[in-house]
Amino acid sequence: QVQLVQSGAEVKKPGASVKVSCKASGYTFIGHYIHWVRQAPGQGHEWMGRINPNNGDTNSAQKFHHRVTMTRDTSITTAYMELSGLRSDDTAIYYCARAYYYDGSDYAFDIWGQGTMVTVSS
Amino acid sequence: SSELTQDPAVSVALGQTVRVTCQGDSLRTYYGSWYQQKPGQAPVPVLYGNNFRPSGIPDRFSGSSSGVTASLTISGAQAQDEADYYCSSRDSGGFGVFGTGTKVTVL
Repeated sequence: QVQLVQSGAEVKKPGASVKVSCKASGYTFIGHYIHWVRQAPGQGHEWMGRINPNNGDTNSAQKFHHRVTMTRDTSITTAYMELSGLRSDDTAIYYCARAYYYDGSDYAFDIWGQGTMVTVSS
Repeated sequence: SSELTQDPAVSVALGQTVRVTCQGDSLRTYYGSWYQQKPGQAPVPVLYGNNFRPSGIPDRFSGSSSGVTASLTISGAQAQDEADYYCSSRDSGGFGVFGTGTKVTVL
């Protein structure tokens, strides 16, 4: 069964960092990019960045460029997203999602993790 | 612009047809994909690109695209289709961008 399983909820103070994990199973981990998307309470989705598990190359949205670090450990088929300098408006559900090239040239997100709630509060 | 704009809410009578639209400049270059999200759950893909349905998605879900607009059509809407629907595409840099979301209510 193809799935992404994320780490549990976190509560952090402003200024702290949080690291969310995303454990992949049921498929070849290095064969698909992992993307990170967040959703603030009652809001829409915001793309944060992606990592190529094959070589570790990353791309991130300009908004998060200096605060987000994405890594992976191929030995345990797990991707990580660390967000630093947390603020109250970083309170959100953070999702990892697998990219699937459905027509060879364009992709969508076919498998999503269950989400990790990160609450930033003093 | 890298924004994707959707109507906040639409309603449809049980068994009728509803269209959800998504507008943005990036849709001239990239197809949109569509995700269904129910309260407390992760998004579920219902359409890839112009009209590829993921395995297990009923054929009452279909898509189309023209110019800066992508559309998701639910033909014969069922009670279980009541959810938020988000489009997604790429921005000018080729990376992800999501629509503002549409709440579909089945009456």
